[in-house]
Amino acid sequence: NAGVTQTPKFQVLKTGQSMTLQCAQDMNHEYMSWYRQDPGMGLRLIHYSVGAGITDQGEVPNGYNVSRSTTEDFPLRLLSAAPSQTSVYFCASCWGQGTEAFFGQGTRLTVV
Amino acid sequence: AQSVTQLDSHVSVSEGTPVLLRCNYSSSYSPSLFWYVQHPNKGLQLLLKYTSAATLVKGINGFEAEFKKSETSFHLTKPSAHMSDAAEYFCVVSVLEYGNKLVFGAGTILRVKS
Repeated sequence: NAGVTQTPKFQVLKTGQSMTLQCAQDMNHEYMSWYRQDPGMGLRLIHYSVGAGITDQGEVPNGYNVSRSTTEDFPLRLLSAAPSQTSVYFCASCWGQGTEAFFGQGTRLTVV
Repeated sequence: AQSVTQLDSHVSVSEGTPVLLRCNYSSSYSPSLFWYVQHPNKGLQLLLKYTSAATLVKGINGFEAEFKKSETSFHLTKPSAHMSDAAEYFCVVSVLEYGNKLVFGAGTILRVKS
């Protein structure tokens, strides 16, 4: 099993550009989520999904969109990149509430 | 609201000496608690988890943590530090909202001196 796979690993965007961060898992997990990691703040939840076709906002959703058309994939879209979105992004998946989350390797995004 | 406080942003120990990383949590119900480790430029790896079974939880690489409800603490320990333990450690509580949202502490950077 590959676990949770994120692409790309690194990305530089100009302010105002859009892009999609890809996330795929092969563990048949229902729950998937996106976090951003900023120094001294741990990880904060952007969006999450409890199953195909079901998504909802987390703590810091502004400027991001998600969709969940299949169990395996959970892409994160930046609509119009801003310097404040410079961060490391992690995708995670798990079986359900209270269970261990598996993380991807992260995407380091810089917006200039 | 659930929250996690890691009491030390940086901890420095000598190789072969004990490690103690402190974590306090707040939760309105019996929580699921985790410790994750992140090596530089890597993803997060689960060290151990507490899910209301034994209060002393053993994890990988010789780490363990004790859940103390009366103190709302979940400190991470290891008897003898190894150079490869140098990393950032996150204490995490799972909350029953936002589809199994994980609430992260701010992290503790562990430095191991030779």
